[in-house]
Amino acid sequence: QSVLTQPPSVSAAPGQKVTISCSGSSSNIGSDYVSWYQQLPGTAPKLLIYENNKRPSGIPDRFSGSKSGTSATLGITGLQTGDEADYYCGTWDGSNWVFGGGTKLTVL
Amino acid sequence: QVQLVESGGGVVQPGTSLRLSCVASGFTFDFRHYGMHWVRQAPGKGLEWVSIIYNDASTKFYGDSVKGRFTVSRDDSEKILYLQMNGLTVEDTAIYYCATDGSHREIDMWGQGTLVTVSS
Repeated sequence: QSVLTQPPSVSAAPGQKVTISCSGSSSNIGSDYVSWYQQLPGTAPKLLIYENNKRPSGIPDRFSGSKSGTSATLGITGLQTGDEADYYCGTWDGSNWVFGGGTKLTVL
Repeated sequence: QVQLVESGGGVVQPGTSLRLSCVASGFTFDFRHYGMHWVRQAPGKGLEWVSIIYNDASTKFYGDSVKGRFTVSRDDSEKILYLQMNGLTVEDTAIYYCATDGSHREIDMWGQGTLVTVSS
């Protein structure tokens, strides 16, 4: 059971938009920045969003993040087949880092 | 360009020990200034945070599932991060990734991982 709760899977058609939620508590999301990670099949995770809504260099603006209270959301617009991956949210909970359980995105 | 390369994984029996290494390279990468994480992923499962060691080399934290069994350390002169794993169980079977602690409260750059299999 992960400290942060994500839906196990989401799906949408190419070109469409999808959102992935991440729910936590006052001790984690409510107290610190949230970051998001993309893990393509067979590869290592990659940082997608940091500080709730900022994109590292090289991440397209199709990817966005937001946070409100103890929840965060990742948005992906203009879906491409190459976006099929597992997505994880993460943040600090005291001195421990915590991840969500991951969400598998299927682009139909 | 920063590169993190993990090594030391393999197949071991329950109750034994293993030490993982993570070598950092990159012309502009000053390893000594970075906190470093270990994160693992069991086969077919999600990410699980294991440990962090800060750049002072003395501040360390561990996930509950490894506390008391695993020890993180670093050699800044050689740019190497270590994870000493003792008392291994089948539940420790996973790919182990090393990663940098970013300056914005995120886990930043990741290695490609090394697979540890604990099996009798």
